[in-house]
Amino acid sequence: ETGVTQSPTHLIKTRGQQVTLRCSSQSGHNTVSWYQQALGQGPQFIFQYYREEENGRGNFPPRFSGLQFPNYSSELNVNALELDDSALYLCASSFWGANGELFFGEGSRLTVL
Amino acid sequence: GESVGLHLPTLSVQEGDNSIINCAYSNSASDYFIWYKQESGKGPQFIIDIRSNMDKRQGQRVTVLLNKTVKHLSLQIAATQPGDSAVYFCATGDKLVFGAGTILRVKS
Repeated sequence: ETGVTQSPTHLIKTRGQQVTLRCSSQSGHNTVSWYQQALGQGPQFIFQYYREEENGRGNFPPRFSGLQFPNYSSELNVNALELDDSALYLCASSFWGANGELFFGEGSRLTVL
Repeated sequence: GESVGLHLPTLSVQEGDNSIINCAYSNSASDYFIWYKQESGKGPQFIIDIRSNMDKRQGQRVTVLLNKTVKHLSLQIAATQPGDSAVYFCATGDKLVFGAGTILRVKS
């Protein structure tokens, strides 16, 4: 069974740039959720994707967008990067209807300078 | 809005002792609660969950207690080991609202 994998693991961008983060869900899972975790804080829900459509969104601006592909993998895109976007971005996969038990990847550490 | 919070930001325990990590939540309609462990440099890892129709659930060395009256849950770790050192989060809701976390440090 393949776990959740994310890429890249670390990256550095400058303010105003755009970034794309990628996630491969665990085998058998069809739902992907993205979280932002600032240093010293708990993960904050960004959005969830199921059947290639956004299914729920947290308190994040539209410059945070995502995609889910037919193979259930997913991308998180952030436009017009701001310094406060520096964080660990976590992807979690699950099977639709499996309440709450998300399987997390190791995250992508984004630094915005 | 829904919020989840923890009472203690850092907990230091002696190896072999029991640990208790507490969590408060605000949404009385929450019906599912979950604890995650996050080690340095890793993503959160599922520990144990509990539904609102239960007040106690046990796993291997861990027990979760739910008090719906005061909207509080706790995670008890028996015979704490150095490998238990991590940040522990409680979360609730169908999209998982996480608390800020408690750092557990185990002293040998």
